[in-house]
Amino acid sequence: NAGVTQTPKFQVLKTGQSMTLQCAQDMNHNSMYWYRQDPGMGLRLIYYSASEGTTDKGEVPNGYNVSRLNKREFSLRLESAAPSQTSVYFCASSESWYEQYFGPGTRLTVT
Amino acid sequence: QQQVKQSPQSLIVQKGGISIINCAYENTAFDYFPWYQQFPGKGPALLIAIRPDVSEKKEGRFTISFNKSAKQFSLHIMDSQPGDSATYFCAASSGTASKLTFGTGTRLQVTL
Repeated sequence: NAGVTQTPKFQVLKTGQSMTLQCAQDMNHNSMYWYRQDPGMGLRLIYYSASEGTTDKGEVPNGYNVSRLNKREFSLRLESAAPSQTSVYFCASSESWYEQYFGPGTRLTVT
Repeated sequence: QQQVKQSPQSLIVQKGGISIINCAYENTAFDYFPWYQQFPGKGPALLIAIRPDVSEKKEGRFTISFNKSAKQFSLHIMDSQPGDSATYFCAASSGTASKLTFGTGTRLQVTL
């Protein structure tokens, strides 16, 4: 089992460019999440999907959109990247309230 | 609005010593308190977790102490080892919701 996979691992964007971060899990989990991690800020929830076909905003959703493509895949889109979106992005999945499994992260720099 | 406050931001402990990281929460509806461990370049991974019906949970060298009245919980790492050097995050969630609210993290360095 690969667990949670994320692509790409690194990305550099110019202000105003768009991109989609991809996430997939092979554990048959219902819930999936997108977080951003910034120094001194911990992990902040951007969006989550409690089950296939549903998505909800987290703590910091502005500037992002998500798509729960199917049970396995949950993508995060930046329509017009800004320097404030420079961060490390983590995708996670869980079956229940108990444990979230995280991917290896995508390091995004917006210049 | 930070609902889970974590301290210290960084911690240096000698090998064999005890590492202590503290967290405080505000939302009394929280009823699940996990700790996640993150090594450089990796995603966080669940280390240990506690529900508020017990005051302490121990797994090997790692112990969570929970004080419901004070709305505080802490992670104790006994006999700290260089391999424990990582960033530790406390978190909390409520009910059946699987959304976690994370603390800001503590970077632990265990020296020889």
